[in-house]
Amino acid sequence: GQQLNQSPQSMFIQEGEDVSMNCTSSSIFNTWLWYKQDPGEGPVLLIALYKAGELTSNGRLTAQFGITRKDSFLNISASIPSDVGIYFCAGQFRGSNYKLTFGKGTLLTVNP
Amino acid sequence: DTGVSQDPRHKITKRGQNVTFRCDPISEHNRLYWYRQTLGQGPEFLTYFQNEAQLEKSRLLSDRFSAERPKGSFSTLEIQRTEQGDSAMYLCASSLSGTTNEKLFFGSGTQLSVL
Repeated sequence: GQQLNQSPQSMFIQEGEDVSMNCTSSSIFNTWLWYKQDPGEGPVLLIALYKAGELTSNGRLTAQFGITRKDSFLNISASIPSDVGIYFCAGQFRGSNYKLTFGKGTLLTVNP
Repeated sequence: DTGVSQDPRHKITKRGQNVTFRCDPISEHNRLYWYRQTLGQGPEFLTYFQNEAQLEKSRLLSDRFSAERPKGSFSTLEIQRTEQGDSAMYLCASSLSGTTNEKLFFGSGTQLSVL
């Protein structure tokens, strides 16, 4: 099946630092989404991207849909302790009934 | 908007027992999905409904698994003769088709432990 390569696997940063993580795929996606998951909870949608080259912000979060349609990145600026969690990228192919393929996640730890 | 609701949140069962999970999607959403997530992995697609019709099933969904959405609203996922390998978080998600920028929203999941 399709796979997404998400990196880094984990990050340990100081409060106030900026963070960047990315996903790459061998296949073209039509939609990229970024989710955050806290322990024991379901993923919460952060940002959705629908067009190649699209750059979208949600507060301190910024994500971009790569122009090749095979990659996406997520930036978090001025991190705070509540940013701790696992961040997942997910891609969707057109015509796939919105079935998502997820990366393995990036575990973010923020040191106060 | 009450979000996607799943019940129970946690289920512990013995190997060989049957279990059933329930999902209530966001009220106006016509698409409903089940995903499974194991430790250290992202969610993996299991099956998908549009209204009451089950339109796609993953090969991960063995014949011990069955899902229904009888009236196009809530859905149930049943696992018969559970095995230890079924231990995972089972996630339900819903979306509204036909919108320009369709988004998938997840519930809090049901954590299954098979002893």
